Amino acid sequence: EPEVTQTPSHQVTQMGQEVILRCVPISNHLYFYWYRQILGQKVEFLVSFYNNEISEKSEIFDDQFSVERPDGSNFTLKIRSTKLEDSAMYFCASSEVQATNEKLFFGSGTQLSVL
Amino acid sequence: LAKTTQPISMDSYEGQEVNITCSHNNIATNDYITWYQQFPSQGPRFIIQGYKTKVTNEVASLFIPADRKSSTLSLPRVSLSDTAVYYCLVGPLRNQGGKLIFGQGTELSVKP
Repeated sequence: EPEVTQTPSHQVTQMGQEVILRCVPISNHLYFYWYRQILGQKVEFLVSFYNNEISEKSEIFDDQFSVERPDGSNFTLKIRSTKLEDSAMYFCASSEVQATNEKLFFGSGTQLSVL
Repeated sequence: LAKTTQPISMDSYEGQEVNITCSHNNIATNDYITWYQQFPSQGPRFIIQGYKTKVTNEVASLFIPADRKSSTLSLPRVSLSDTAVYYCLVGPLRNQGGKLIFGQGTELSVKP
């Protein structure tokens, strides 16, 4: 089965530093997403992206966050100035069709630890 | 998006059939029901999706009664590797925004 790959698997950073989380979605997928999961809590939607634009974002996705598709294969999430509360597992996902209930393929995540 | 209610946790033994029920009283006419599975430190994985009656694939079956106010995910003959959190999600296909709303899920623990 095709996979969404994420790098790095773990990232440790100091508060206030910028981090970039990277994802390679499945090659024929057109819609991309970032979710996060704080330890012991729900999986939370951050942002969806299609045709080089943000389709929808949650209230979590504030000005500290940005997404980009810098080339034909990568999809990145940047956090400009990390806070302690940004510590979480960040999941990238992709799908062929944008939908609330369409099949999303998730990566294995990047565990971000902000110290 | 319809609110869903599922048991927080369930225990089972290897070889048993496990049924996890999800309540969604406010399901809309164009809503579908989807189940995802999440292993520790991994992203959610799509299991099955349905609209009404019964859907079966190689992993599970999904039973949806006529009123669609609930659904049951059935896992036949579970093994230790089925220990995971199972999420029930309800919403329309091809909705603008494309976001999934995950609840707390059901933590299934399979024992030897």
